[in-house]
Amino acid sequence: AQSVTQLGSHVSVSEGALVLLRCNYSSSVPPYLFWYVQYPNQGLQLLLKYTTGATLVKGINGFEAEFKKSETSFHLTKPSAHMSDAAEYFCAVSEEGSSTLGRLYFGRGTQLTVWP
Amino acid sequence: NAGVTQTPKFRVLKTGQSMTLLCAQDMNHEYMYWYRQDPGMGLRLIHYSVGEGTTAKGEVPDGYNVSRLKKQNFLLGLESAAPSQTSVYFCASSSGTAFSGNTIYFGEGSWLTVV
Repeated sequence: AQSVTQLGSHVSVSEGALVLLRCNYSSSVPPYLFWYVQYPNQGLQLLLKYTTGATLVKGINGFEAEFKKSETSFHLTKPSAHMSDAAEYFCAVSEEGSSTLGRLYFGRGTQLTVWP
Repeated sequence: NAGVTQTPKFRVLKTGQSMTLLCAQDMNHEYMYWYRQDPGMGLRLIHYSVGEGTTAKGEVPDGYNVSRLKKQNFLLGLESAAPSQTSVYFCASSSGTAFSGNTIYFGEGSWLTVV
């Protein structure tokens, strides 16, 4: 069964500081992994995804994530935070299977606050 | 550039009332989904559809019904609203499953309060 754990429901950083949002998953088969961002009063927008191939994935707005199979992790990073990065971030997993139809399972989200 | 459009955006219901949330997508997607988002819970799948005329239950289907009479529309109904259904509802659509590498596109959400 799939599950997604996001460590830390709230993360605060100063503008210009490193952003690190943690995501661990459990999956019985190789998964596809996603990060979505939700700005206030808006829907979710895809930041990046890992399917196969290179384990370091680059996304929009300077974000990247690395798939580490041995650690079952897919942490999201950005070298230098910007005020506009303040939002809620969701990690999600999808795996192949007739019972799941390859749909997404979401973590509980991490609210990122960026201080000036 | 409409994408996924949800109506209404805000609604207050009394316990026991019924209502329908409408989702429309203009991307000719086969797959459509209804999620609910509650604080600290992430998004949970209510119902989904893999094509016109088909629907299936997700993780939290109780108290909801859906219909997909037209490919572009996916309706979510609450027959007898309960306070536990106070939530933000998101519709989404995609051309295929997430596992196939397809991007899932989300609407902007519908805020529902049941008093």
